[in-house]
Amino acid sequence: AQKVTQAQTEISVVEKEDVTLDCVYETRDTTYYLFWYKQPPSGELVFLIRRNSFDEQNEISGRYSWNFQKSTSSFNFTITASQVVDSAVYFCAPNTGNQFYFGTGTSLTVIP
Amino acid sequence: GAVVSQHPSRVICKSGTSVKIECRSLDFQATTMFWYRQFPKKSLMLMATSNEGSKATYEQGVEKDKFLINHASLTLSTLTVTSAHPEDSSFYICSARTGAQNSPLHFGNGTRLTVT
Repeated sequence: AQKVTQAQTEISVVEKEDVTLDCVYETRDTTYYLFWYKQPPSGELVFLIRRNSFDEQNEISGRYSWNFQKSTSSFNFTITASQVVDSAVYFCAPNTGNQFYFGTGTSLTVIP
Repeated sequence: GAVVSQHPSRVICKSGTSVKIECRSLDFQATTMFWYRQFPKKSLMLMATSNEGSKATYEQGVEKDKFLINHASLTLSTLTVTSAHPEDSSFYICSARTGAQNSPLHFGNGTRLTVT
């Protein structure tokens, strides 16, 4: 199994603040994919983004942006101008072959 | 979009009984399905990976005789918790994808199992 570290267990921010969620992974594979998922209090998992290991171009999608650095095996996720609806647990998940493992998750609370 | 339906959403059963959880891909064919277990405020723990028409691959430490997985068709996988005990109480989530390595997982809404 791969190792995924999301060092931030819980984060609280005030609405409209920016927040970055860290993800560091370990893999021996040269080709792999990275995913972020969101799990709101209702429990369902929502796919946010996919990135392959060959593409280190950072991506912005609305208030979300991702910083992938292969040299440091990090795939960080930033929410700009956070909103209460962003409160959820966020999981980073590297994927190689047929295996799909999740990080420990970061619980984000946005305070109104 | 790809929809995965998981049923039931909640189930309460008595110790010693068996419970079956169904996972269906509604608008796509899922060559691979994954079953996860999640404890409160914890991450998703991969239990097993199943491919249609073949035996499931269980993760280390997961009892295959206790957690029976069947993936009989490209749209249906089932997880049966046999002889359930209170420690089996948990949130079980299934997911599916079409098979391409870069395709994201599509998740069911999970099943909250409580064993009394």
